[in-house]
Amino acid sequence: GAVVSQHPSWVICKSGTSVKIECRSLDFQATTMFWYRQFPKQSLMLMATSNEGSKATYEQGVEKDKFLINHASLTLSTLTVTSAHPEDSSFYICSAPLWTSEAYNEQFFGPGTRLTVL
Amino acid sequence: GENVEQHPSTLSVQEGDSAVIKCTYSDSASNYFPWYKQELGKGPQLIIDIRSNVGEKKDQRIAVTLNKTAKHFSLHITETQPEDSAVYFCAASKYQGGKLIFGQGTELSVKP
Repeated sequence: GAVVSQHPSWVICKSGTSVKIECRSLDFQATTMFWYRQFPKQSLMLMATSNEGSKATYEQGVEKDKFLINHASLTLSTLTVTSAHPEDSSFYICSAPLWTSEAYNEQFFGPGTRLTVL
Repeated sequence: GENVEQHPSTLSVQEGDSAVIKCTYSDSASNYFPWYKQELGKGPQLIIDIRSNVGEKKDQRIAVTLNKTAKHFSLHITETQPEDSAVYFCAASKYQGGKLIFGQGTELSVKP
């Protein structure tokens, strides 16, 4: 199957600093990617839809100025958590749908990034 | 708004028994229903999915049923094995490849 990678796999930062998380589709192009946040023992909550070459679409309640998304190429989307605080500590997961000629659009998930804000 | 309810939150079965997880969705425009398995510290992996024009789909020990009228869909795992132990999530989407709304998750424990 297709592979989606994330970097870093984990990061620890001080409160008030910014952290960038990368999501890459390794063997396919993705014009759309999705960013999810998952708190311990909870479900995945969609944060935003990342669109290559245009602005991201944020879900209700997600601060776009705090969670900056850039989809600069067909294989890379980045999520920057600005001025991070302890409550932003979470597991951040990206996904990308694979579009094929048969129109079978399975969505592949990255391995996640564990963010801890001290 | 869009919502997916999943039950039970935890499920413990003996090896070899069957496990059933149920989900209900609210958005009648949903047409695609995948199930994911997530192991600790990892991203979700698709195990089976079903589209709204199909009532049932099976893949070896795993099956999914869909009742579009009632907005219910269920995951059935037969002959469970210890390696089936994980958290399982149902999800719903308007179309395959679109944004997913996830259920709350079910922690399945298969005891040897």
